[in-house]
Amino acid sequence: GESVGLHLPTLSVQEGDNSIINCAYSNSASDYFIWYKQESGKGPQFIIDIRSNMDKRQGQRVTVLLNKTVKHLSLQIAATQPGDSAVYFCAENMGSYKLIFGSGTRLLVRP
Amino acid sequence: DADVTQTPRNRITKTGKRIMLECSQTKGHDRMYWYRQDPGLGLRLIYYSFDVKDINKGEISDGYSVSRQAQAKFSLSLESAIPNQTALYFCATGTSGRNNEQFFGPGTRLTVL
Repeated sequence: GESVGLHLPTLSVQEGDNSIINCAYSNSASDYFIWYKQESGKGPQFIIDIRSNMDKRQGQRVTVLLNKTVKHLSLQIAATQPGDSAVYFCAENMGSYKLIFGSGTRLLVRP
Repeated sequence: DADVTQTPRNRITKTGKRIMLECSQTKGHDRMYWYRQDPGLGLRLIYYSFDVKDINKGEISDGYSVSRQAQAKFSLSLESAIPNQTALYFCATGTSGRNNEQFFGPGTRLTVL
């Protein structure tokens, strides 16, 4: 799920299938991780967060998994719908104010 | 009504012009941020403010300045715009909550010719 340079990774899934979006983070000291969804022409919107002392958190149709050993975060979307098409960013909270954002993954849902 | 609003939503300008982007919020948050987004890159922090008297540079503040006119208003200025400042600009607000969640405006698309 990490981007290199200007290339934005894209995940294409069939409507109704499950989606898994991955993110690698950099700082072992980060205490919170947040997933944002950005639809075309809009600002990023909060989806779900997870504290560093947890390894899994579930929301409505979404689950975030945290693997601190390999500094990896994933977002799972169940029964993907056309409205889920967007760019998804992970962000790590590195202190009292600073969020470090990943470069994002584009999710395309095929009808 | 939107909690975080940005004006203008789109702007095309010429090299050397002074540009101001405005942000207003009704969330009552003390913290406000300006980010820049370029294609294929994550959001990069330009400036942030914890309250009206507190302004701090982010990682890419060169060529930009800000003004926190009130708790609800935070404006970003490009004193002399250059083409590589063409980007999508986002304002965000936040609290001092443990997860540091930030709430974003709809963005301003700026093109510098």
